[in-house]
Amino acid sequence: ETGVTQSPTHLIKTRGQQVTLRCSSQSGHNTVSWYQQALGQGPQFIFQYYREEENGRGNFPPRFSGLQFPNYSSELNVNALELDDSALYLCASSLPGTLNYEQYFGPGTRLTVT
Amino acid sequence: AQKVTQAQTEISVVEKEDVTLDCVYETRDTTYYLFWYKQPPSGELVFLIRRNSFDEQNEISGRYSWNFQKSTSSFNFTITASQVVDSAVYFCALSEGRDDKIIFGKGTRLHILP
Repeated sequence: ETGVTQSPTHLIKTRGQQVTLRCSSQSGHNTVSWYQQALGQGPQFIFQYYREEENGRGNFPPRFSGLQFPNYSSELNVNALELDDSALYLCASSLPGTLNYEQYFGPGTRLTVT
Repeated sequence: AQKVTQAQTEISVVEKEDVTLDCVYETRDTTYYLFWYKQPPSGELVFLIRRNSFDEQNEISGRYSWNFQKSTSSFNFTITASQVVDSAVYFCALSEGRDDKIIFGKGTRLHILP
């Protein structure tokens, strides 16, 4: 069983630039959630994709957008980067509706905005 | 509104001592799930335990145990005979029955001293 993978591991961008982060879900999981974890804080829910459609969104501006592909992998796009976007971005895959389902988290992408 | 509070920011104990991490949650739903996750320095979130709101039975799993009390909205987590490898940030989290997003507390940094 393949776990959740994310790429890249680390990324440095300049304020105003755009970034794309990628996530491959665990085999068989059709749902991907993205979280932002600022330094010293708990992860915060950005949004979730289920079968290629957005299925819930947290309190993040529209410049945070995403995609899910037919193979259930996902991208997180952030436009017009701000310094406060510097964080660890985590994705989690799950298979809702199954007994005792849980979200499996990837290792994260650490984004630094300068 | 959903909220998870971990009042302990940082705890240090000597190896082999027992340690309890506190968690208080708020939700208006009658159906919800509570979680504990561990985040070692590598950054990956590791799932530890999950309980649903209809099951207040407290259990022990190896060195881990939890105390779920709906009357006080608490979901405390205990590590027995702590080990240095238990050093990490521990997050308590809540998911309501109607959606899949997870609300995390701010975490408790646990130091196990040799």
